[in-house]
Amino acid sequence: GESVGLHLPTLSVQEGDNSIINCAYSNSASDYFIWYKQESGKGPQFIIDIRSNMDKRQGQRVTVLLNKTVKHLSLQIAATQPGDSAVYFCAAGGTGNQFYFGTGTSLTVIP
Amino acid sequence: DAGVIQSPRHEVTEMGQEVTLRCKPISGHDYLFWYRQTMMRGLELLIYFNNNVPIDDSGMPEDRFSAKMPNASFSTLKIQPSEPRDSAVYFCASSINDRTALHFGNGTRLTVT
Repeated sequence: GESVGLHLPTLSVQEGDNSIINCAYSNSASDYFIWYKQESGKGPQFIIDIRSNMDKRQGQRVTVLLNKTVKHLSLQIAATQPGDSAVYFCAAGGTGNQFYFGTGTSLTVIP
Repeated sequence: DAGVIQSPRHEVTEMGQEVTLRCKPISGHDYLFWYRQTMMRGLELLIYFNNNVPIDDSGMPEDRFSAKMPNASFSTLKIQPSEPRDSAVYFCASSINDRTALHFGNGTRLTVT
């Protein structure tokens, strides 16, 4: 199976600073990873994904880094804004079409 | 793009009653997933379908839970009889094909008293 965990359950950052959210996975066969953002009362929203043939992928203000050697991935948010306050989940693609979700990191942006 | 649509948004019922949750996936998506989210266990996969056929239901907690997908645009998750420990937020998600990002609905918050 697969277990996915986030390193910190909560994270507080000042508006304008960069945020880094970390995630570790256990199954070296996992080859597809997704970061989701979940706001209160809503479903998880896709942010960015990365496949195992890449080490880094950038989106708008977000970057995902994948280190397959230590089975670790991170989400970096540049110039964090109040609207970024939410719970962030990483998901690892396991066998078949199953995705295993971490427990989430709650990001609070301090104005 | 209407996204994944779930109904109802909230459901409050008494123990022993039947509960039916509904989902309309994004048009053209071949995969449909049912997840349950609780504070204690996070997001758990219950069952998923490919082209309306159940592929893996190993996450369904027990026989009280059943899911159907009679056509490409509709799925139901039924709990009969419901119990207080079933209280959770139930999410439906769909994806366009194998090993691509899941798109989630806004969930149904179920409370069983």
